Amino acid sequence: EAGVVQSPRYKIIEKKQPVAFWCNPISGHNTLYWYLQNLGQGPELLIRYENEEAVDDSQLPKDRFSAERLKGVDSTLKIQPAELGDSAVYLCASSNAPNTGELFFGEGSRLTVL
Amino acid sequence: KQEVTQIPAALSVPEGENLVLNCSFTDSAIYNLQWFRQDPGKGLTSLLLIQSSQREQTSGRLNASLDKSSGRSTLYIAASQPGDSATYLCAVSYDKLIFGTGTRLQVFP
Repeated sequence: EAGVVQSPRYKIIEKKQPVAFWCNPISGHNTLYWYLQNLGQGPELLIRYENEEAVDDSQLPKDRFSAERLKGVDSTLKIQPAELGDSAVYLCASSNAPNTGELFFGEGSRLTVL
Repeated sequence: KQEVTQIPAALSVPEGENLVLNCSFTDSAIYNLQWFRQDPGKGLTSLLLIQSSQREQTSGRLNASLDKSSGRSTLYIAASQPGDSATYLCAVSYDKLIFGTGTRLQVFP
């Protein structure tokens, strides 16, 4: 069974450019998460989806970040325009139950903003 | 405020030692607690999940315990190996999952 798939693994862009990350969760997992991880820190939640509904986006910087999960399966996280401080690893995770389900993570997308 | 703390931040041990990693949390009203492993440049790999009604979980050489009343969990690794070298993160599930900052483990031959 395939795990959580993310792409691209690495992205280098100049500041003010847009960037998008894609995530395909484990089949059947209705709950999808996007996390941000800075070096030496634990992941921090950006947004959580239940099917296609964003149920927690309180930590998403909505002036430049957006996310969608149109059909309740794949999800895309976009940053426009990117800033130097956005350099980090963006992790996608999925689970089969909110709050109580085990989380499974993808390999992450490492963003470098120059 | 809901906080998760892991001690120690880093640990270096010789191969073969049994070791304990600690995780503490401030709010005991949790759904579950999950231990992850993260290798450099990689995502997180789930090791053990303990539901709030459980006291411990075991997988191979790993044993995780949970004491909600004291707000603590421990991850016990038996007979450590160089391949166990990684960062270990605990995460506590409230209405959102809150991570500790991790323990960076190095096991040397």
